[in-house]
Amino acid sequence: DQQVKQNSPSLSVQEGRISILNCDYTNSMFDYFLWYKKYPAEGPTFLISISSIKDKNEDGRFTVFLNKSAKHLSLHIVPSQPGDSAVYFCAARVSGGSNYKLTFGKGTLLTVNP
Amino acid sequence: DSGVTQTPKHLITATGQRVTLRCSPRSGDLSVYWYQQSLDQGLQFLIQYYNGEERAKGNILERFSAQQFPDLHSELNLSSLELGDSALYFCASSASGDYGYTFGSGTRLTVV
Repeated sequence: DQQVKQNSPSLSVQEGRISILNCDYTNSMFDYFLWYKKYPAEGPTFLISISSIKDKNEDGRFTVFLNKSAKHLSLHIVPSQPGDSAVYFCAARVSGGSNYKLTFGKGTLLTVNP
Repeated sequence: DSGVTQTPKHLITATGQRVTLRCSPRSGDLSVYWYQQSLDQGLQFLIQYYNGEERAKGNILERFSAQQFPDLHSELNLSSLELGDSALYFCASSASGDYGYTFGSGTRLTVV
């Protein structure tokens, strides 16, 4: 049972355009969501996060939107740059206690073409 | 350098063998997590340790075990290895209250 789903295995965009990566979740107990970026031969690195009490969080070129009623979040990258080419993982967790387990999606490979 | 160190980076071994993967967490982090990434799969949670104690368990096979030592480094032991165990194994660490992890660069295990 996959609780976090990234239905697009890959996405290709032109440099300077907007990249939109989507993520759906099924567990209504999730209350914190994160995006990680992964380059080949490296571990995932934290990119941006959002709490369920917000519907938008922005950090430079990266914005995450959360639609709780639809159990959907998206990551917008504007403008996209070739260096953004990587695999992007969506992750979610249930807050509380000392169990900080994150549940990850399968990832979306973003390719930004010059 | 993320601060989380995993060794070895690559490991090739035969079916039926046993291997140990090692992880040193970021300084000050009490929690260590192990994840497995197989081909076409996302990051599958295996197990979490917090200050030496097992805190959460995921889809970890009985052939796999882990521990966290008093100096907070952790080891993941994989035994009776099968071809399907070939994967990237990531360790991550976090401090209490952190909402995200810091990942190591992973150990690529190839079982032949």
